[in-house]
Amino acid sequence: EAGVAQSPRYKIIEKRQSVAFWCNPISGHATLYWYQQILGQGPKLLIQFQNNGVVDDSQLPKDRFSAERLKGVDSTLKIQPAKLEDSAVYLCASSVKRAGELFFGEGSRLTVL
Amino acid sequence: AQTVTQSQPEMSVQEAETVTLSCTYDTSENNYYLFWYKQPPSRQMILVIRQEAYKQQNATENRFSVNFQKAAKSFSLKISDSQLGDTAMYFCAFMKHAAITQGGSEKLVFGKGMKLTVNP
Repeated sequence: EAGVAQSPRYKIIEKRQSVAFWCNPISGHATLYWYQQILGQGPKLLIQFQNNGVVDDSQLPKDRFSAERLKGVDSTLKIQPAKLEDSAVYLCASSVKRAGELFFGEGSRLTVL
Repeated sequence: AQTVTQSQPEMSVQEAETVTLSCTYDTSENNYYLFWYKQPPSRQMILVIRQEAYKQQNATENRFSVNFQKAAKSFSLKISDSQLGDTAMYFCAFMKHAAITQGGSEKLVFGKGMKLTVNP
């Protein structure tokens, strides 16, 4: 079974530029999550989708971050414009039925200069 | 709001020894789940073990077991016979039991993590 795929693995940009991350969850997984993991901290949920509807985006900085999940499968997370404090690993995860059992991708590491 | 605290930032242990990682949490919920996730260096995070709060029996998965103390809001992970492959960041996490009306999906809240190094 293929795992959660994310791209790009690494991205370096300057502040005020934009960036987009892509995630392909495990086939059949209805729930998709984007987490932000700043160095030295635990992952923080940015947004959670159930199929293509948003379940929780309470911690998503909506003035600069946006996310969509097309047709309930792939998802894209965009940051525009980026700030220095956005430097982090962006983790995508998916799950199906067993509560709390998330399957994570390898993450996309963003460095904002 | 729920919070998860891992007070030990780092630990090291010799191969084959037993190590215990501590975690405390704060919640007013009665029904919830607790988890330990493992994040090896440069690899993806994976679920190690899961505990349902309504179950009094502590969960066990091979060399991994938990000590769940609901009244004390404590959830520690014991790793027996430590192996080099256990070297990783370990995260304790909490999830409320989802209401049926919410489609069974709730937010997973993580602690800051603890770096475990297993030495040969």
